[in-house]
Amino acid sequence: GESVGLHLPTLSVQEGDNSIINCAYSNSASDYFIWYKQESGKGPQFIIDIRSNMDKRQGQRVTVLLNKTVKHLSLQIAATQPGDSAVYFCAEKVSYGGSQGNLIFGKGTKLSVKP
Amino acid sequence: KAGVTQTPRYLIKTRGQQVTLSCSPISGHRSVSWYQQTPGQGLQFLFEYFSETQRNKGNFPGRFSGRQFSNSRSEMNVSTLELGDSALYLCASSLSDRGYEQYFGPGTRLTVT
Repeated sequence: GESVGLHLPTLSVQEGDNSIINCAYSNSASDYFIWYKQESGKGPQFIIDIRSNMDKRQGQRVTVLLNKTVKHLSLQIAATQPGDSAVYFCAEKVSYGGSQGNLIFGKGTKLSVKP
Repeated sequence: KAGVTQTPRYLIKTRGQQVTLSCSPISGHRSVSWYQQTPGQGLQFLFEYFSETQRNKGNFPGRFSGRQFSNSRSEMNVSTLELGDSALYLCASSLSDRGYEQYFGPGTRLTVT
C-alpha cells in the first residue's frame, strides 16, 4: 500500500496474542498524541488519542501509554486479530498558545498478524 | 454520519501541469488539514484551514496552495507539477478548533509523469 516505506519496522504476532507498538516522539513540548491505523489503499484511521496530562488511556481492545520523561508512546492491542494487520502511525502535536499546531507523524510500524 | 470524502481518488498528470484536489469534511467539522504521504518522507503536513482562514502551513514550496469555502469544503492546488509531487494527498477534518482528533479521508493518489 501507499503507506509502506522501504524500511518500516515490522512487528509480527500470533493471532490472539497482545501487541505492543512503540513510538519515540521528538518534541518535549508536544501536548497531544494520537495513534492511527492505515490499511493498504486507505487513509489513516483514528484509533485513540491522549493528552499530555494523562499517562494512560484505554479504548476497546487498545491502550495507549505515555511516558513524558523519556518521550515515549506505546499502543497496546489486546487479543490481536488478523484484521489488525496494518501500518500504525503515532503522531504528536504542539499547541502554541492560541495557535493550533499540526500533527507530526512518525514513520510507522507494520503489524503483521499470523493466523 | 458520512466520513471525509476526497475527489478524485486517482489522478495522472504530466510535469508542468497543475492540479486541484477537493476535500469535503465530516458534517459540522470546520477544521481541514492536508497532508502529503510518500514512501520516502512519510506523512508530512501541508496546511490547515479553519473558518476559511489558513492557520498553519508546512514546509512546502509556494506551488502548493489551498483554500477553504464557507461550507468548510477545501481544495488544494499544485502548480507546475514535478515528478516528486507524486504522492498520496490526504485530507483530515476535525470538530475541534484546535485540530484535535483529526479524521482522514481515503486520499487522492496523484501520479506525475
